[in-house]
Order: sequence, then structure tokens, then C-alpha cells
Amino acid sequence: KQEVTQIPAALSVPEGENLVLNCSFTDSAIYNLQWFRQDPGKGLTSLLLIQSSQREQTSGRLNASLDKSSGRSTLYIAASQPGDSATYLCAVRPTNDYKLSFGAGTTVTVRA
Amino acid sequence: GAVVSQHPSWVICKSGTSVKIECRSLDFQATTMFWYRQFPKQSLMLMATSNEGSKATYEQGVEKDKFLINHASLTLSTLTVTSAHPEDSSFYICSARVPSGRWEQYFGPGTRLTVT
Repeated sequence: KQEVTQIPAALSVPEGENLVLNCSFTDSAIYNLQWFRQDPGKGLTSLLLIQSSQREQTSGRLNASLDKSSGRSTLYIAASQPGDSATYLCAVRPTNDYKLSFGAGTTVTVRA
Repeated sequence: GAVVSQHPSWVICKSGTSVKIECRSLDFQATTMFWYRQFPKQSLMLMATSNEGSKATYEQGVEKDKFLINHASLTLSTLTVTSAHPEDSSFYICSARVPSGRWEQYFGPGTRLTVT
């Protein structure tokens, strides 16, 4: 059974600092990995999706890397802003199934 | 594109009553929708997979007679929590699969259910 772990569980940084969020998974047989943002009491917004054949994806200040063999993905957020405060979830989809396995998330607070 | 809506956004019901939550894909047809539950400060747990025109597939430990899922059209899936109890209070989120090879899922805004 796929286990997805996100460390740290919470993170507080001053505005302008770069953020590094980690996601690890136990089964490397994945089809893709996705990073989501969730604001309190809200649904999920997809940030980046990395196919298993890719090493990284970038969108604006966001960059996500994937090392499938070691079961790790890292989400980098450059020059953090208070508006980046949210919970960030990673989810993996296995190669032989369509079901997503989610990590518990990292709650980020960016202090002005 | 790929917008998913849920209704209601929040609902309070009394113990023993039933409540229905709707999930709609607004600008695409979704043959497959997914229902998740999220407890405070925990991750999303898949409850069931809803396929248009057929019975839902439930995850282990999810009572199919308590959580009734109907996917009657390509744009609508409903989750009915029957005989709700306080322990059913949770955040329910649906997602819909975009019909492409990537199996990407787009998520609804969620429904907060409180059972008193």
C-alpha cells in the first residue's frame, strides 16, 4: 500500500524567504505526482503535475522536482508572500490504478 | 476549463436524518468522479469511485448503505449520507476525472457537513 509522507507538517517563514516542502512515497511505481494547495475550509487547487518520466515542472515562482527512484518530490516556492499561506498537499497516482494517495500536507504560514 | 462545483457548501443536519451532496462538472463530461472525506488537519481519504451509469466502487471500510452514491449523468454525481450521526461530520470533497490520457483530477470546493 502506498504511503505518502510530508515533512514538515507545519512551516512558518518571514515574507521573502524561499519555501522548501518535501513529499516522500514508499512505492516508486507511480504514474504521476501532483501538488495541490488547500486554503482553510476550501477545496483543492492543482499547482503542478509531474509525470513519472519528468524530473521537474515549473510554474511562475513554483518549481517541483521528482526523483522517482528514491521516492521523493520537493516543492520550491521562491520569494514567499503572505498570500502563499495555505496547506500544500502532494498526491501520487500509481501506474496500475487511478486512485490518488495523499500526504497529510504541510501548513505554511508566511509572516508579513 | 475543468471546473467542478459542489452543493451545498455547508450543511447542518440533525442526527438520524439524511443529507445529499451534489458534485457537478460544469464544462466537461466526467465519466468518473471520486468522493473523498477529510477530517480536520488530516489528509483526504478516498471513499468511493463513481462511474456514470454503473454502481459506485467503495473503498475498504466505507459503508455503501450509509454513503449512497449515484452518478446518473455525465455531469452529476450525488453522495447521500443516510441516517447521519455526529461522527459523520466532516469535509466532503469530490473530484472529476478530465477525459484525457493523464487521468488528472479536478476538485470541487468541498462541503462541510455538521451533524448535531
